[in-house]
Formats: sequence, structure tokens, C-alpha cells
Amino acid sequence: SQQGEEDPQALSIQEGENATMNCSYKTSINNLQWYRQNSGRGLVHLILIRSNEREKHSGRLRVTLDTSKKSSSLLITASRAADTASYFCATGRDGNKLVFGAGTILRVKS
Amino acid sequence: IAGITQAPTSQILAAGRRMTLRCTQDMRHNAMYWYRQDLGLGLRLIHYSNTAGTTGKGEVPDGYSVSRANTDDFPLTLASAVPSQTSVYFCASSGSFDGGTQYFGPGTRLTVL
Repeated sequence: SQQGEEDPQALSIQEGENATMNCSYKTSINNLQWYRQNSGRGLVHLILIRSNEREKHSGRLRVTLDTSKKSSSLLITASRAADTASYFCATGRDGNKLVFGAGTILRVKS
Repeated sequence: IAGITQAPTSQILAAGRRMTLRCTQDMRHNAMYWYRQDLGLGLRLIHYSNTAGTTGKGEVPDGYSVSRANTDDFPLTLASAVPSQTSVYFCASSGSFDGGTQYFGPGTRLTVL
């Protein structure tokens, strides 16, 4: 069963706008990670936030984690056409294993 | 080799045939994983290995087997393929130094007819 569920399932924005994707999960976690997948490719790790952290930044990415609400958000600022991809959250709970959500499909129109 | 490689890139297979998907990493990662990705379901863990010589079952292990004879290789075998095993298969690995970040191969697209 999936631990993480992303919202929305699909998002279409204009270049330059910000994109926000949300992830909810069901059980306690050690960390939460976000991955990107371009069409026909493998997943690429974007950012990891530990359960004792509330916010993390990496370039144009900002991730928040609210363990009391069991939710996380990924914000991509000043989006570019190259950001068009599927984005997945994954929760780490049992050793190194991750449980992935179904993903959000982001389309950035130029 | 840089990172993780998978072979073949794609395969069409008759139901009932045996198939082995290959995965090799050159990062000396201890842990390796096999996932399948189906539309609308994200990635689901099939089998994993925390270190050479050990393997474990994931969420959807039935119909699949794995072995981990050494650090670098983690083959996935379908003993007798069925159409429901049509999917995209991803191999991944992770080390013990970066919090569980996983590094993915390019995937194998498998169609079972």
C-alpha cells in the first residue's frame, strides 16, 4: 500500500510561476524525500528532509515537513519549462526502504 | 559505468517464459532495490537487498526472485512471466552515508503477452 499520496495529481502552470505539490502520509517516518522523473527516465533525487526538520531549501526548491499533520510540501519557485516532469514523495521508515506516492505530473508552459 | 545500468532497455516476452532483468551499480552501495512502476500507482518495491548475500521481500514480491552474489549486481528473475507483470522496472541503490537517498537506473520496459 502507498504511504505517500501527492496532491494535486496534475498541475499546469506558466513559466515563471511557482508550483506547489503536497504529500500526505499515514505513519511515522524517519525522513521524507522528493524525486523527479522526466518522461521515460529513472527517478532523480531532489531533496531529503528528516523528521526533526521543518524546512529545507535547495536552489529553487523549498520543502516543508509537518509531522503533526503527516504532510509535506514541495515548492518550485520561478518554474521553467525544464521543470516539466512527474514529482514523487517517498517516505523512509524501515531501514533504507522507501514507500513512494503516486506522483504529481507538472507541466510548465513556455 | 557511471551509476546504475539496467539491461535490457525493453523486452517483449511471451507468457510463461523466464526472464532475468539485469542491474549493475558502480557506486559500491550496500543496498539495492527493485521497483515496478505502473500508471497511477507510483513505484512499488518488489525485492531489496541491504548487503551482498542478503535479500528481502518488498510490497509485491510474488512471481519474482532476486539474488545478490556481490555488491555490484542485483538481477531480478521472473520465473514464468504473466501479463500482469507488464510494467516498467527500476533498479535503485543507496549507500549508508546520505540518509537513504536512492539512485535509480534508467528502467526496463517489459511487456508480457
